[in-house]
Amino acid sequence: GDSVTQTEGPVTVSESESLIINCTYSATSIAYPNLFWYVRYPGEGLQLLLKVITAGQKGSSRGFEATYNKETTSFHLQKASVQESDSAVYYCALGGNSNNRIFFGDGTQLVVKP
Amino acid sequence: GPKVLQIPSHQIIDMGQMVTLNCDPVSNHLYFYWYKQILGQQMEFLVNFYNGKVMEKSKLFKDQFSVERPDGSYFTLKIQPTALEDSAVYFCASSPRQGNTGQLYFGEGSKLTVL
Repeated sequence: GDSVTQTEGPVTVSESESLIINCTYSATSIAYPNLFWYVRYPGEGLQLLLKVITAGQKGSSRGFEATYNKETTSFHLQKASVQESDSAVYYCALGGNSNNRIFFGDGTQLVVKP
Repeated sequence: GPKVLQIPSHQIIDMGQMVTLNCDPVSNHLYFYWYKQILGQQMEFLVNFYNGKVMEKSKLFKDQFSVERPDGSYFTLKIQPTALEDSAVYFCASSPRQGNTGQLYFGEGSKLTVL
């Protein structure tokens, strides 16, 4: 089936350190999957962080990057230097070319220590 | 940024009772969704709704579930009657249009506890 697997949290890093949260996907019913990273900051609803709809492309937002790798079916989230304000829960997600149904991973809690 | 509001944030009810979860979507959004997350599990799609109709629903959307948005008011999820396995956090989302994939705005969730 269609599914997403991501790094199990919590992930704890110190401010200014680099970060990688792994995400792999399986898309059996979606011919051309779109890949997303969502983030939930404390006290807020889930929101889209970045998306990539074409294999081989990279998406970026707020210093975060993720590259859609069709060969390895991966979409890892990276940031070169995290800030305390990046502390949140990050969700990798998979969808088709409409918003009818999006498949979410379990979420990875990121804790950034000052 | 745009916000989706959900009411109540937490509700506790006895099995067999009816519950209505309310969602105030982003104004001018046209597509509405409910997702369900059982504790310790992934958030899963329940249903989406457009132009007064259910467009797609998953197998989790049991016959006891219904959605509506009368006259542009709250987008609601009603469960009647509730069962123990309905205990979960329910997330509402809205989207401006189908073409902008992934651009969903979610509420903070309504935690439902069925005793």
